[in-house]
Amino acid sequence: QKEVEQNSGPLSVPEGAIASLNCTYSDRGSQSFFWYRQYSGKSPELIMSIYSNGDKEDGRFTAQLNKASQYVSLLIRDSQPSDSATYLCAVMAPTNRDDKIIFGKGTRLHILP
Amino acid sequence: EAQVTQNPRYLITVTGKKLTVTCSQNMNHEYMSWYRQDPGLGLRQIYYSMNVEVTDKGDVPEGYKVSRKEKRNFPLILESPSPNQTSLYFCASSPGGGLTYEQYFGPGTRLTVT
Repeated sequence: QKEVEQNSGPLSVPEGAIASLNCTYSDRGSQSFFWYRQYSGKSPELIMSIYSNGDKEDGRFTAQLNKASQYVSLLIRDSQPSDSATYLCAVMAPTNRDDKIIFGKGTRLHILP
Repeated sequence: EAQVTQNPRYLITVTGKKLTVTCSQNMNHEYMSWYRQDPGLGLRQIYYSMNVEVTDKGDVPEGYKVSRKEKRNFPLILESPSPNQTSLYFCASSPGGGLTYEQYFGPGTRLTVT
């Protein structure tokens, strides 16, 4: 069973600090990795995608991928109250037939004003 | 505007009464998928479609049907809804193929089965 694991939180971070969200996955063949943000009662919204080892930066967000450790993380710099949401990690893992996308259960992030 | 639309947004129904939730995307995406989201269980995939006329089961397909007769539409059918299908449902689409599985989600349909 392919799995994606996240700490459910809540993770509380002071405003202006760096929030660090982590995700591990079980399938070594996983190729694509995604972070989504979901506000309560709303649909998930894509923040970042990352496909190769290393860091990828987009504004205040940095995604980090380490395939050897099967680990992907999301850093949010200068955290704002509007960043308070649930963050979902998703992984695309090819199967014999097609490609399967698996979501973690999400980490609730709370930015303290 | 590029978007995924779902209808209805809210639905209250009774056990056994067939219903359909529509999903449509205007981005010419190949891949479409249905998820349900329940507290503590996260997003779970119901069915997905890699292309027109190609559908496959996700993790929780029991009690659901889908069809993909056109690229833009991917309706979710509950032939005989039961209370355990009360949930928040999301449709999503992505370009598909290769690494392009960045998904765009619809606004969600909150279904209550009594």
